[in-house]
Amino acid sequence: DAGITQSPRHKVTETGTPVTLRCHQTENHRYMYWYRQDPGHGLRLIHYSYGVKDTDKGEVSDGYSVSRSKTEDFLLTLESATSSQTSVYFCAIRFLRRTSGQEGGYTFGSGTRLTVV
Amino acid sequence: DAKTTQPNSMESNEEEPVHLPCNHSTISGTDYIHWYRQLPSQGPEYVIHGLTSNVNNRMASLAIAEDRKSSTLILHRATLRDAAVYYCILRDSRLSNFGNEKLTFGTGTRLTIIP
Repeated sequence: DAGITQSPRHKVTETGTPVTLRCHQTENHRYMYWYRQDPGHGLRLIHYSYGVKDTDKGEVSDGYSVSRSKTEDFLLTLESATSSQTSVYFCAIRFLRRTSGQEGGYTFGSGTRLTVV
Repeated sequence: DAKTTQPNSMESNEEEPVHLPCNHSTISGTDYIHWYRQLPSQGPEYVIHGLTSNVNNRMASLAIAEDRKSSTLILHRATLRDAAVYYCILRDSRLSNFGNEKLTFGTGTRLTIIP
């Protein structure tokens, strides 16, 4: 278990307000990701990070920004929330096999359900 | 990006084995085959992954065709707790050191377990 915590778990906000979602991990993993999940679309990558202050865009990055000032925290910010950003947001980390350090998999957080009204 | 094809839904009886198929005819030699599942109201959960050889772990087995164009996730004895959406995903191992890969989740297979 990578010890991923997402906060808040639920949030309702008004259109046009800024919103920040937090992802916290406790095992010093290098790679962290933000996904959103919507009915009919599966999971789509928003942004990812490959180290402190190293981030890049995913396939649906418009309207979102991220920051990673510490290894353990990856923040997702909606600068001005819109109704189209109503979604469930998942944070993930990529882990390596403990025994070999080779290809592992991904561990996801429990998600943040965001509603923009 | 290499894509995968899975049936939309499957049903299985409790305590019986379940074979979940996945086709990936355009897989490249550097693509790992990953399986995840998502229980209701939870994030996706890693199940298993492999490259060429069959793999076993405490959760499931992964059978990979010799030409690697298809794979099958095997749950040896289904329980009600295995009811979930199962995703088959390809991940390019060449991107391991860059982190800029994206896991392309399709719509997966919704597995229903019948008591």
